Amino acid sequence: GAVVSQHPSRVICKSGTSVKIECRSLDFQATTMFWYRQFPKQSLMLMATSNEGSKATYEQGVEKDKFLINHASLTLSTLTVTSAHPEDSSFYICSAPRLGGLNTEAFFGQGTRLTVV
Amino acid sequence: AQKITQTQPGMFVQEKEAVTLDCTYDTSDPSYGLFWYKQPSSGEMIFLIYQGSYDQQNATEGRYSLNFQKARKSANLVISASQLGDSAMYFCAMRVLYYGGSQGNLIFGKGTKLSVKP
Repeated sequence: GAVVSQHPSRVICKSGTSVKIECRSLDFQATTMFWYRQFPKQSLMLMATSNEGSKATYEQGVEKDKFLINHASLTLSTLTVTSAHPEDSSFYICSAPRLGGLNTEAFFGQGTRLTVV
Repeated sequence: AQKITQTQPGMFVQEKEAVTLDCTYDTSDPSYGLFWYKQPSSGEMIFLIYQGSYDQQNATEGRYSLNFQKARKSANLVISASQLGDSAMYFCAMRVLYYGGSQGNLIFGKGTKLSVKP
């Protein structure tokens, strides 16, 4: 089946530094990638939608200058958390639909657990 | 606005018994898809089952079945013959084709933590 590979799985960084998270679709072309954030014991909340070759669409309340999304190719989307702070510590997970339509299974990456110290 | 409600923060079930996890949804869109995902402690999201709004029959996938009651806007997950490995968070989710500027993303409920007792 389709696989979305997400790296790193776990990262600890110092406050003020930037962290890049990569999501690659391994056997299909992902024209769209959804980025979610999940705080402990909470649900997944959509942060932004990236589309290959165009600007990302951010959900209300998500700072686009802080969470930089790049989707330069059909197999790679990246999320960069700039000037990270402890409140950015969370679980970040990407998801790519393989086909269009309602019954499209959303293939998820393995997730990245970010801890900012 | 689209919304998924899971009212059971936690559930316990005895091994080998069946358990039902509740999910209700709200949407004014006639076309939508309903999903259930399992999230173990590792964090990965494991797809379990899908039900389309126009599907006439309830979806089944092995030990998982979805009790779809469209008039009630409910999509409960039934796990038969529970196993210890079923202990995890379970999320109900919905997809509509058009939601603000984001097409095709999933909207998740708050989840239910299932614990299977030996």
